[in-house]
Amino acid sequence: ELKVEQNPLFLSMQEGKNYTIYCNYSTTSDRLYWYRQDPGKSLESLFVLLSNGAVKQEGRLMASLDTKARLSTLHITAAVHDLSATYFCAVYFGNEKLTFGTGTRLTIIP
Amino acid sequence: EAQVTQNPRYLITVTGKKLTVTCSQNMNHEYMSWYRQDPGLGLRQIYYSMNVEVTDKGDVPEGYKVSRKEKRNFPLILESPSPNQTSLYFCASRSTGEGYGYTFGSGTRLTVV
Repeated sequence: ELKVEQNPLFLSMQEGKNYTIYCNYSTTSDRLYWYRQDPGKSLESLFVLLSNGAVKQEGRLMASLDTKARLSTLHITAAVHDLSATYFCAVYFGNEKLTFGTGTRLTIIP
Repeated sequence: EAQVTQNPRYLITVTGKKLTVTCSQNMNHEYMSWYRQDPGLGLRQIYYSMNVEVTDKGDVPEGYKVSRKEKRNFPLILESPSPNQTSLYFCASRSTGEGYGYTFGSGTRLTVV
């Protein structure tokens, strides 16, 4: 069974702090996506990670992929209020089958 | 503007009354998918399409139908909606090539009473 687990489900952190969201998956895959969703809005693509060891950075967000450990991380550096949102990882299992994690609701406190 | 357009945004209907949610993309994308989003469950794939006349089931296809007669359109059909299909639905599309992510529509909030 294909499973994608995100941790934590809820995260409340102070501005200026660093934190990491984890995405574990159960079956081999070499492609993983990260999305952001603001309340009542659609999903916005953040990163596409295509191979083992892939690392991508955009502003205060950095994502990495370890296909051997079946683990991806989304690292937040020096958090600011604008980063408050729900973050989803999604794992590609072939033939356009995409399985999403349950999401991490991130709240940045001033 | 490149986008995925869903209609309607909000819909309240009664059990058993057939409905269609439309989805159209203007980016000439080959791949399209439908997802439903429920609290605590994330997004789950309903159906996907890899090209015109090529569709396949996702993880939760029961109670839904799709068609892909034209490249730009991928409607979701509920022949006999039930209350357990109350959800937030998203259509998404992407281009071929592994480096491309999905572009999502704005969503359709469906309530079946």
